[in-house]
Amino acid sequence: DAGVIQSPRHEVTEMGQEVTLRCKPISGHDYLFWYRQTMMRGLELLIYFNNNVPIDDSGMPEDRFSAKMPNASFSTLKIQPSEPRDSAVYFCASSRFYEQYFGPGTRLTVT
Amino acid sequence: QKEVEQDPGPLSVPEGAIVSLNCTYSNSAFQYFMWYRQYSRKGPELLMYTYSSGNKEDGRFTAQVDKSSKYISLFIRDSQPSDSATYLCAMSVYNQGGKLIFGQGTELSVKP
Repeated sequence: DAGVIQSPRHEVTEMGQEVTLRCKPISGHDYLFWYRQTMMRGLELLIYFNNNVPIDDSGMPEDRFSAKMPNASFSTLKIQPSEPRDSAVYFCASSRFYEQYFGPGTRLTVT
Repeated sequence: QKEVEQDPGPLSVPEGAIVSLNCTYSNSAFQYFMWYRQYSRKGPELLMYTYSSGNKEDGRFTAQVDKSSKYISLFIRDSQPSDSATYLCAMSVYNQGGKLIFGQGTELSVKP
């Protein structure tokens, strides 16, 4: 299996622009997780889905953040409008049970 | 107080040393315990996975869980420079649908 695939790997954008991060989970995994990682706060869970349905979005920092999972093989995390404090590495992970497998991450820089 | 506490380090050891990495937790309902390894500019990689209390060994790595003390450990024997990475503990409650609570991560450097 190719593992969890994320795109883009790097994104540099200006404050106020819309940013869309994409994730393809491992085939057969029915859980999908979005995380944000910074030096200050470590790895934070933003939202997770089970069978394409959002289960817990309590980690989504503000209404500027939204996530969708239209089918079992694709998810997006959108930030609109983006702000400099959103700069971080965003990871997507998928699992069947408790072992989560992470993608390579998207490094987002908002100037 | 965080649910999972982990000393961020950094921890520096000479090649060949035995490394001990630890986490403490406060939620007695945690039953699944994992260790992830994260190299610089990479995603976390699942290293070890244990259920409930006890030990699990995989090559040079041993994971221990002591639920009575709410304490988990990862031991690395004969450490190598390639083990230099950040190690994150993670744990989950049985009925939380796979949601993991992560520690802050410990940065390990193994010097040749």
